[in-house]
Amino acid sequence: EDQVTQSPEALRLQEGESSSLNCSYTVSGLRGLFWYRQDPGKGPEFLFTLYSAGEEKEKERLKATLTKKESFLHITAPKPEDSATYLCAVQVVSGGYQKVTFGTGTKLQVIP
Amino acid sequence: ETGVTQSPTHLIKTRGQQVTLRCSSQSGHNTVSWYQQALGQGPQFIFQYYREEENGRGNFPPRFSGLQFPNYSSELNVNALELDDSALYLCASSLVGTDTQYFGPGTRLTVL
Repeated sequence: EDQVTQSPEALRLQEGESSSLNCSYTVSGLRGLFWYRQDPGKGPEFLFTLYSAGEEKEKERLKATLTKKESFLHITAPKPEDSATYLCAVQVVSGGYQKVTFGTGTKLQVIP
Repeated sequence: ETGVTQSPTHLIKTRGQQVTLRCSSQSGHNTVSWYQQALGQGPQFIFQYYREEENGRGNFPPRFSGLQFPNYSSELNVNALELDDSALYLCASSLVGTDTQYFGPGTRLTVL
């Protein structure tokens, strides 16, 4: 069974204090790995898609990387508006069907 | 704004009732997925539709069913509601051949 584990469950940072969120996965036939940001009471907002080990993508203060077993979301010099829950998801294709499995998320709080 | 809308925003039902949730995808997005997100959890994949046919399904019983229409709208139907069905229901649309999913704001379902 496909599994996605995110750590830590919660993270509290001072403004400007850089850190990384981890997403480890166990799947058969990874098609892609996704990072989303979710604010309370809202739907997830797409951030990145990664397809192969070694791939990196950046957007403002965020940088996502991928290895064969895990992905990291690096947050450089975070601001209070970066506070949100960050979700990781993996997509697999099996027997012609697609399936997406999400982790439980990391709740990030950035304190001014 | 993702261009994906859902209705209603909130809904209260009693155990045993049936419910229909609606989603309107971005124009041209012919793939739609539905997710259930319990409080404090990541979204759980219910199923995906492509060209009005089910294209993948998660571990949900048959009382969860769906429809997709040619005008990029879709429905999630849940029969014989149970207390554990209380959750945020999210739909996400994407263009076939791409993997990026754009989420709607969700429908909060409460089953009493």
